[in-house]
Amino acid sequence: GENVEQHPSTLSVQEGDSAVIKCTYSDSASNYFPWYKQELGKRPQLIIDIRSNVGEKKDQRIAVTLNKTAKHFSLHITETQPEDSAVYFCAAKGYSTLTFGKGTMLLVSP
Amino acid sequence: DGGITQSPKYLFRKEGQNVTLSCEQNLNHDAMYWYRQDPGQGLRLIYYSQIVNDFQKGDIAEGYSVSREKKESFPLTVTSAQKNPTAFYLCASQVTKLGYNEQFFGPGTRLTVL
Repeated sequence: GENVEQHPSTLSVQEGDSAVIKCTYSDSASNYFPWYKQELGKRPQLIIDIRSNVGEKKDQRIAVTLNKTAKHFSLHITETQPEDSAVYFCAAKGYSTLTFGKGTMLLVSP
Repeated sequence: DGGITQSPKYLFRKEGQNVTLSCEQNLNHDAMYWYRQDPGQGLRLIYYSQIVNDFQKGDIAEGYSVSREKKESFPLTVTSAQKNPTAFYLCASQVTKLGYNEQFFGPGTRLTVL
């Protein structure tokens, strides 16, 4: 089955800095890669996603890049703000299910 | 955030008891999923169902059971066979159409075994 590795497990940045979270996947048939944000005590919510036929996607301060050859995708957050503090999960979708990474706790200090 | 509800929000269970977690959705989604979340472990798939009256085991199905008698409902039973059931349980639903992949999550149930 699919295996998703996510790094780092924790990331501390100063407000205004950029943050990058990286994931690798094992199944070359995976074709959809979402990123979810989970604030403390709340449900995960989709923040951005990318399909396998696209190399990069941006939405305001967040962007995701995908390298299918290397089976690697990354989340980039620019101009971080304290409200960006949360746990971020990457995931990869094969035929019918999502496999999640273990999460990255992002802490943005004012 | 609306559309998927889970109850109860908190649940306490004594060892040896079975408990059932509720998940309901009014999004008319075909597929529903149950995940378990433990600190540092991410979300791990327990069971999923793509249509009514059908479901498949996920990665950690042992000690759990589900049913899908209605499109709107996908209850999860945590049985006494589950060795370490204390965790945060998340239900999700998804449209099963080509190109639609987003899963929508419920607010979760935190289960504690006393």
